[in-house]
Amino acid sequence: SQKIEQNSEALNIQEGKTATLTCNYTNYSPAYLQWYRQDPGRGPVFLLLIRENEKEKRKERLKVTFDTTLKQSLFHITASQPADSATYLCAERDTGRRALTFGSGTRLQVQP
Amino acid sequence: DADVTQTPRNRITKTGKRIMLECSQTKGHDRMYWYRQDPGLGLRLIYYSFDVKDINKGEISDGYSVSRQAQAKFSLSLESAIPNQTALYFCATSDSRTTQETQYFGPGTRLLVL
Repeated sequence: SQKIEQNSEALNIQEGKTATLTCNYTNYSPAYLQWYRQDPGRGPVFLLLIRENEKEKRKERLKVTFDTTLKQSLFHITASQPADSATYLCAERDTGRRALTFGSGTRLQVQP
Repeated sequence: DADVTQTPRNRITKTGKRIMLECSQTKGHDRMYWYRQDPGLGLRLIYYSFDVKDINKGEISDGYSVSRQAQAKFSLSLESAIPNQTALYFCATSDSRTTQETQYFGPGTRLLVL
């Protein structure tokens, strides 16, 4: 079965730097990948979606890439700010499945 | 007002008790989901419903049941609660009419089973 793997160790970076988070999938290439942000004690909030046939997607300071050869998606936050500190979740859905599969998330801490 | 609401927000119960978690949405979405979240394990799907008459088990449905009373309401029941059901529970919705099918989450219910 498909597994979504995200680095369980927290990522600590300095304000102003670019944060890069990784999402790997283990089997088939999903139809699309979604990225969500989750703050402590709150539900996840959708950020970006990238489809299998797209290499890159951007939204303001956020950028997502999708590499089907490496079975990987990278999530970048440029010019990071302390307010970007949160847990970021990756989720995939294959065309043959009916629901999303989520990774366990990576916690990002941006130091001022 | 929040689009996806969950009640209660916090609940403490004892082993063997039956409890119900409720979810309501005003987004007009047809699809609803129940997840649980445990530290280090991420979100795991318990049940999902694509319309009032379409209910499906997720990856961890044992010990849980659901009811889709209306398009806007989706309840999760623990028939006989056990301590390893202690977790954070989220309800989510999505709209099948959109190509992205983004999921919108409620604020969560924190459940402690003693």
